[in-house]
Amino acid sequence: QQQVKQSPQSLIVQKGGIPIINCAYENTAFDYFPWYQQFPGKGPALLIAIRPDVSEKKEGRFTISFNKSAKQFSLHIMDSQPGDSATYFCAAQGRGSQGNLIFGKGTKLSVKP
Amino acid sequence: DAGVTQSPTHLIKTRGQQVTLRCSPKSGHDTVSWYQQALGQGPQFIFQYYEEEERQRGNFPDRFSGHQFPNYSSELNVNALLLGDSALYLCASSPRTGASYEQYFGPGTRLTVT
Repeated sequence: QQQVKQSPQSLIVQKGGIPIINCAYENTAFDYFPWYQQFPGKGPALLIAIRPDVSEKKEGRFTISFNKSAKQFSLHIMDSQPGDSATYFCAAQGRGSQGNLIFGKGTKLSVKP
Repeated sequence: DAGVTQSPTHLIKTRGQQVTLRCSPKSGHDTVSWYQQALGQGPQFIFQYYEEEERQRGNFPDRFSGHQFPNYSSELNVNALLLGDSALYLCASSPRTGASYEQYFGPGTRLTVT
């Protein structure tokens, strides 16, 4: 049973566009929601994370929007660049479960010059 | 400040063999988690070590075992390798104390089972 559903599977945008990646979860015990960026042959790198007590968090060009009632959260990448081309994973972690990140299946983003 | 390091980078083993993968956590971190990432999938949690003990475990068989040393480094052992064990094995470290849940991943070890 997939606990974190991520969409779309792949995404192509032009340079300067704003790709949006969406995730949905079912388990209300989740209380930490990070996004990771992974380049081919590399480990995932932590981009930004949010807790359910806020609806939005910005760090540089990356923004997380969080809708607790809908149990959904999304990543927006402002002014996207070709260097942002990578696979993006959303994840969730439960209260008192510090080790167990549940990942979505990933979104492969391609930013065209 | 060194990040999470893993060795070896790549490994090729034959079905039925045993393998040991190694991880050194980020400086200041005392908790290590291991994940398996199959091609085209998100990482899946194997287990977590803290204070040299396994604290949490994901849905993986007993063929997967681990160890944490007093210097917080860790090993992942997989016995009786199956073709399906071919994957990228990721180690992540985090500080146990405090409210931070942040986990930082290493570059991974690519295991190929033939």
